[in-house]
Order: sequence, then structure tokens, then C-alpha cells
Amino acid sequence: DIQLTQSPSSLSASVGDRVTITCRASQGISTYLNWYQQKPGEAPKLLISAPSSFQSGVPSRFSGSGSGTDFTLTINNLQPEDFATYYCQQCYTTPYTFGQGTKLDI
Amino acid sequence: QLQLQESGPGLVKPSETLSLTCTVSGGSIRRSNYYWGWIRQPPGKGLEWIESVYYTGSAYHNPSLQSRVTVSVDVSKNQFSLTLSSVTAADTAMYYCARQVAAAKGDYFDYWGQGTLVTVSS
Repeated sequence: DIQLTQSPSSLSASVGDRVTITCRASQGISTYLNWYQQKPGEAPKLLISAPSSFQSGVPSRFSGSGSGTDFTLTINNLQPEDFATYYCQQCYTTPYTFGQGTKLDI
Repeated sequence: QLQLQESGPGLVKPSETLSLTCTVSGGSIRRSNYYWGWIRQPPGKGLEWIESVYYTGSAYHNPSLQSRVTVSVDVSKNQFSLTLSSVTAADTAMYYCARQVAAAKGDYFDYWGQGTLVTVSS
């Protein structure tokens, strides 16, 4: 199975900050990586589908990049509603796997 | 607006079989380019993909669970279902159903149910 390792596992930031979350794959996955946001008590929400397509309604302050084994999710100008847990997910091959998550809090 | 809703017992005894159904509304399950998936999340932990099924019944599973997983689709009811046999406490999790878009640049899960918590305990 392809393992995805996110860093950091947790992150504290302030409103208005710029943050970057990294996702590293155990083998090359081209650009086959998606990003999800999950808030407490809610289902995950798709933010960015491979390679860097925004889902409807996702603010432009979110951006994703990377290929091969290293990927990043960047959030500019953090807003209060952005504090959540973020997961990467590879869709290169089955079994689909997720990173362990990065919890972003204030 | 597409909606997915999981249903099933919240408590299952060890060694028994867990059965969940996902009802899709606002759109037909019988569409090309879409699979229908199950993903679970143990309390306080990350996400694990279980399986994905096409409306024809063609499915693929996570090998870690494959021998215990059975899936089915009922197009007439716009539902798909998951059964997981011989459950243990390790199967305690929030179970989500989701729509999987089969995209050229990589599949993704764009619509999710709210999830249903299944606890395995005697």
C-alpha cells in the first residue's frame, strides 16, 4: 500500500496567517492526490481534486501543488472557518489511502 | 443537490456481521463515471477506504478487509450496501458512504453522507 505522511501532525496559527501542510507519498504517485477538510462532528469535505482542481465553493485562498512524492496544501489569509483537520488522499492506485491528518487550530 | 444517508445498527456484537445501507437522493445511482464508496474513521483517528462499487455491482475492496467485505447495489431503491463479517472492536468506527467520481486525472470523493457510528461491543 502507498503510505502518505503528513507534516506537521498539528499546527497552531492565527487568523490572517499563511500555512503550508505537506503530504509525502511512499512512492511516486504523479499528481494523483486529493485534499479534504474535516471539521469536528462532520464528514470530510473535498477541497482540491487531483491535480489542483478546486471544488465548487472552495475559497481561492486554498491552493495545492506537487507531483511525484511531495505535495503541499497552502492556505493564505487564514479565516476562522479554516480551523479544521486536513487530509491528503492518493488516488494513484488501490487501496486508496489517506494521510494521518493535520489538525490546524488557533 | 445530491445527498447520501447511511443507515444501520449502531451496535454490533463481536464476531457478528455489520450491515449498512447508503440511500442516495437527488440523483441516480445508475450513472456512468461514478462509483459509490465506503470509508471509515475510528474514533479520534484517520480515514480508511473500505470499498467502491459501480451500479452494475462491480466492486473493488481494500485488501486488508477484502475477505470480510460484501457489497451490493439496489438500483431500484437508489441504494448500495456494505456488510462486514466477523467484526471485532477494531471495526468500531464512523462509517461514511460517499460518491466517487471516476476522473481521468484521478478519482475523488465529492459527496459524503453524514456518517453513522458503529460500535462493536458485547
